Amino acid sequence: KQEVTQIPAALSVPEGENLVLNCSFTDSAIYNLQWFRQDPGKGLTSLLLIQSSQREQTSGRLNASLDKSSGRSTLYIAASQPGDSATYLCAARGTGRRALTFGSGTRLQVQP
Amino acid sequence: GAGVSQSPSNKVTEKGKDVELRCDPISGHTALYWYRQSLGQGLEFLIYFQGNSAPDKSGLPSDRFSAERTGGSVSTLTIQRTQQEDSAVYLCASSSGGAVEGGPRYEQFFGPGTRLTVL
Repeated sequence: KQEVTQIPAALSVPEGENLVLNCSFTDSAIYNLQWFRQDPGKGLTSLLLIQSSQREQTSGRLNASLDKSSGRSTLYIAASQPGDSATYLCAARGTGRRALTFGSGTRLQVQP
Repeated sequence: GAGVSQSPSNKVTEKGKDVELRCDPISGHTALYWYRQSLGQGLEFLIYFQGNSAPDKSGLPSDRFSAERTGGSVSTLTIQRTQQEDSAVYLCASSSGGAVEGGPRYEQFFGPGTRLTVL
């Protein structure tokens, strides 16, 4: 059974800092991995999706990497802004099972 | 274009009553998923529909939960005889892609959710 873990659970940084959010998964037989953002009381916004054959994906100030062999993914946020404050969730889609298995999230606070 | 929509946004009900939650997926998306987000359990999968295939119900927590998808589009999640532990945010997602792996990204797009409170 796939298990997804995110570290740290919470993070507070000053504006402008570069930061890394970590995601690990126990079963390397994944089809893809998705990173989401969730604002309080809202649904999930898809940020990046990495296919199992890819090593990284970039969108603006966001860069996500994937290392299947070690069961890890990282989300790098460059030059953080107060508007980046949210909970970030990673989720793995297995090769057989279509549903996503989610981590518990990292709650990010960027201080102005 | 329009994203995934869900209704109602909030639902308060009394223990023992039945509730229906609705999801409108992105037009053209063949796959539809229901998830539940609660404080103690995080985000967990409930049920998955793909085209005309039999749904994957492996995540439904009890037989009080059921879902249907009519015409390959709108889906309704029904909870019968609601209990207080059913209180959660119910999220719906949709994605494109077929039954064959490879090629499509299967990126899932989520709706805003329905917050269910059982008193």
